[in-house]
Amino acid sequence: SYVLTQPPSVSVAPGETASITCGGNNLASKSVHWYQQKPGQGPVLAVYADSDRPSGIPERFSGSNSENTATLTISSIEAGDEADYYCQVWDSPSDHWVFGGGTKLTVL
Amino acid sequence: EVQLVESGGGLVQPGGSLRLSCVASGFKLISFEMNWLRQAPGKGLEWVSYSSGFGSPIYYAESLKGRFTVSRDNAKNSLFLQMNTLRVDDTAIYYCARGDRYSGFDVWGQGVVVTVSP
Repeated sequence: SYVLTQPPSVSVAPGETASITCGGNNLASKSVHWYQQKPGQGPVLAVYADSDRPSGIPERFSGSNSENTATLTISSIEAGDEADYYCQVWDSPSDHWVFGGGTKLTVL
Repeated sequence: EVQLVESGGGLVQPGGSLRLSCVASGFKLISFEMNWLRQAPGKGLEWVSYSSGFGSPIYYAESLKGRFTVSRDNAKNSLFLQMNTLRVDDTAIYYCARGDRYSGFDVWGQGVVVTVSP
């Protein structure tokens, strides 16, 4: 089965830029989506189709996908960005949705 | 307003059954692919099942095949998850979510708690 790998945690100071990676075999051939989940809340779609932003998501959130790694980049980090972030893809061979294990973003 | 509202969660003993409901408002369910997901306490997101707009095809996570069954009543704008032979490790918050492989899951329900305990 297809596997997505994320770092368990990322820490960044306010105002800096956070990069959260998601690794998978030939990931660039798939469409990667990213979710933000704040403590005690449900997930929210932050980036879809590698790099598109839903309405209401700040421009500080951006995404890229190349070869075997997709990256969610959050610039000008704020305290309110502290959350768990998950990447997701549809694996066509198995007809399954696959999530990464999640990355906890800590704002120092 | 586009919204999904789940219900049907609760406390059940191992081996028991529950039926979760997800009612959509603000859009027609038949026009969208829908999914069930879950999140065990302190754990990450786990996909449970997929249902296309017309109810077929339906896909399940391998570990759940045979115990969980998804269905929909498009006339009532509702999605269901029948969960049988529940185990302690099925304890989780269960979410329904709208979305497809191109746009991700853009609308989520508030989640419903399922606790399986003796």
